[in-house]
Amino acid sequence: DGGITQSPKYLFRKEGQNVTLSCEQNLNHDAMYWYRQDPGQGLRLIYYSQIVNDFQKGDIAEGYSVSREKKESFPLTVTSAQKNPTAFYLCASSILGASPLHFGNGTRLTVT
Amino acid sequence: KQEVTQIPAALSVPEGENLVLNCSFTDSAIYNLQWFRQDPGKGLTSLLLIQSSQREQTSGRLNASLDKSSGRSTLYIAASQPGDSATYLCAVRPPNTGNQFYFGTGTSLTVIP
Repeated sequence: DGGITQSPKYLFRKEGQNVTLSCEQNLNHDAMYWYRQDPGQGLRLIYYSQIVNDFQKGDIAEGYSVSREKKESFPLTVTSAQKNPTAFYLCASSILGASPLHFGNGTRLTVT
Repeated sequence: KQEVTQIPAALSVPEGENLVLNCSFTDSAIYNLQWFRQDPGKGLTSLLLIQSSQREQTSGRLNASLDKSSGRSTLYIAASQPGDSATYLCAVRPPNTGNQFYFGTGTSLTVIP
């Protein structure tokens, strides 16, 4: 079955540590996205990529980094520079153009 | 910048009732609008996608309409069931924004048996 796999489902880290969230898709989609979701707020875009080896900052990119070395993979690193990293992180993908957005099941990150 | 609003933030209805969820956006220039469902602790599941040239889309008990000129979309759920309880989000895709989507904050729906 085609889809988007995010791992792990839950992640716990100590403050000051970098952590990488995995996102893999087998939908052959060109575009991939990372969103952050906090209670009472809409989804906010962190980074997106439309093609391998290229990506753009979203609205809240500070303290995050990404890479897109393969079409199917778009890992997100939450660095120690991110002031409030505890959140639910969602990865998504789509075909370029006016096509629907597909989501993974998310990773809940807790930093203490 | 495009802003998307969903009112009410929460809605509780008895089972069997028909209901309407609202989504409004500030800039009528959009490629499409998508409705999603999110269960607690889960990702978003796509329900319906309406292209800018369309007025509505239907899937089973769901019907979504789009009025670009007024910046509004509605999601109609017929004969609601307890299994419909979830948060419903809408997202719009403007042109010339590098494939970005803008999301509303969602409406949390509870269907009471």
